[in-house]
Order: sequence, then structure tokens, then C-alpha cells
Amino acid sequence: NAGVMQNPRHLVRRRGQEARLRCSPMKGHSHVYWYRQLPEEGLKFMVYLQKENIIDESGMPKERFSAEFPKEGPSILRIQQVVRGDSAAYFCASSPGTGGEQYFGPGTRLTVT
Amino acid sequence: EDQVTQSPEALRLQEGESSSLNCSYTVSGLRGLFWYRQDPGKGPEFLFTLYSAGEEKEKERLKATLTKKESFLHITAPKPEDSATYLCAVRSGGGADGLTFGKGTHLIIQP
Repeated sequence: NAGVMQNPRHLVRRRGQEARLRCSPMKGHSHVYWYRQLPEEGLKFMVYLQKENIIDESGMPKERFSAEFPKEGPSILRIQQVVRGDSAAYFCASSPGTGGEQYFGPGTRLTVT
Repeated sequence: EDQVTQSPEALRLQEGESSSLNCSYTVSGLRGLFWYRQDPGKGPEFLFTLYSAGEEKEKERLKATLTKKESFLHITAPKPEDSATYLCAVRSGGGADGLTFGKGTHLIIQP
């Protein structure tokens, strides 16, 4: 049973470009979470999605960031007009339902130059 | 606002030297306390979930315990392969499902 998959693993963008991060949850999991880990800081919750629905986006920056989890295909975290402060590791996690443990992917390391 | 504080920030032990990591939390209605292990350049790996005070879970050389204010991760006779950053996280009863993480304890086991 494959784990949570994220791609790309490393992404380099220039300031002002768009970044698209993809996450495929574990088989049988319909709940997806995105977290950001800045250097020397802990993991910070960004958004929680189920298929075709955003359930909780309380941790998402108000501008430039968006997320989706379509009926078919992976979940996408989109960052428009990236700035240097967006450089971080972005992790996706999935769970089979609410209230249980979350299983994390290997992360996408975004570098903005 | 939920808060999780882990101590110490870093810990260096000799192989076989047992110790404990601390996770103190403030949360409105605990709906689960989670321990993860994270190796450099990788995603967090799930270890344990604890739900109520007095609960204990064990896995190999690791044992997690929970009180109403804190959790401990006890490491017995550690080996160098136990070296990693150990993360503690809570889920609150406020309705949100996202986890609040501490900054972690960086553990080094020297042979």
C-alpha cells in the first residue's frame, strides 16, 4: 500500500512565479491536510480538504495561496506570485476519516530565488 | 489558542542511556495527542496517539504517556538509529481537524 505521495520533491521558483504542489493521499483516504514547515519552526497547519470541499482553511494566508482537492486527481496547493518568505517545506498528510491519525508525505521543498 | 511546548530542544545520549522527552500542552478540549518521528529531509512518521489521561502506548524502545497537562516519550536503552527529531502535536475540541505541533526535540544517540 503506497503511502502519501507528493511531487515535485524539490521546486525552485523565481519571485513572482507560480508554484503548484501536488499530493496524492494514501489509498482509501479521503481527507487531506497541508502543513508548512519553515526553517527552525514547527509544522503549521494550513488547510484541510475533503473531495471537492475545503473544510478548514484557517491556517492559509489570505492572499496568493489556494488549495483544491478535485473529485479526480491529486490535491493541489497553489501559491501565486511567490516571494522569498514562501521558501519552506510543504507537507501533505492524509487520513481515512476525521479524528484519527494523519499520515504524512515526504514533502515538497520550495525555494524562491 | 492551542499551544504545544516541547523540551528539551536538543538531547544527546549515549547508546543505552534511557531518558524522557516532554510535551506540555494547552488546548480547549483534547481530541488526541500525537507523537511523530522526523528524519532529516523526510516527512513526519506516525508513532502514537493518546486520547485520555492515564493512557500509555508502547512500541519497541518507545513508550508514550499522557496526563491532563503533558505527555512524555520515554526512550529505553536507545540505539543510534533512534536519532531523529521527535514531534508532539495536539488536536483540540474546537472543531478544527488540523494539528498543532511543537517545535520538536532533536535527539542524538551516540554509539
